[in-house]
Amino acid sequence: DQQVKQNSPSLSVQEGRISILNCDYTNSMFDYFLWYKKYPAEGPTFLISISSIKDKNEDGRFTVFLNKSAKHLSLHIVPSQPGDSAVYFCAAMGRYGGSQGNLIFGKGTKLSVKP
Amino acid sequence: EADIYQTPRYLVIGTGKKITLECSQTMGHDKMYWYQQDPGMELHLIHYSYGVNSTEKGDLSSESTVSRIRTEHFPLTLESARPSHTSQYLCASSEGSSGNTEAFFGQGTRLTVV
Repeated sequence: DQQVKQNSPSLSVQEGRISILNCDYTNSMFDYFLWYKKYPAEGPTFLISISSIKDKNEDGRFTVFLNKSAKHLSLHIVPSQPGDSAVYFCAAMGRYGGSQGNLIFGKGTKLSVKP
Repeated sequence: EADIYQTPRYLVIGTGKKITLECSQTMGHDKMYWYQQDPGMELHLIHYSYGVNSTEKGDLSSESTVSRIRTEHFPLTLESARPSHTSQYLCASSEGSSGNTEAFFGQGTRLTVV
């Protein structure tokens, strides 16, 4: 039973345009959400996070939006660059009981940014 | 820049061999994790540790074992490797069991059992 779902296995966008990656979760105990970027044969690297007390967090070209009522979050990359091409993983954790404070990951979305 | 290291990066080994995947971090983090990932799939938590002498099994059942004798070191051992163990193994660490802290990952070990 997947608690974190990324329903789009892949996404292709043109350089300079916006990339929107989506993530849904089912566990209402999750209160902290993260996005990781992963290149082949490498470990994931942390991108951006958001606490459940916020609905938006921005860091440069990356913005994460959280809709708690819909149990949905999204990562926006503007403008997209060819170097952003990678697999993006959504992760969630419940700091106070849910998942014992461990990160639960989605299956990832492979982003391809075309020059 | 995260300071967490995994060795080896790649390992091809025969069935029945005993293997140990090494993971070390220099950040003084209390919590450490092992994840297993197959292509196109999510990262599955197989082991974690809250600190020295603490080891817990994760969500995905695994035949591997771990130990945490020192804060910085969290090795994973397979007593008898099988082709079904072929996967990528990712080690990670974080500051503690609660709070807004992200996990830092090592480069991973790609294990192939033939």
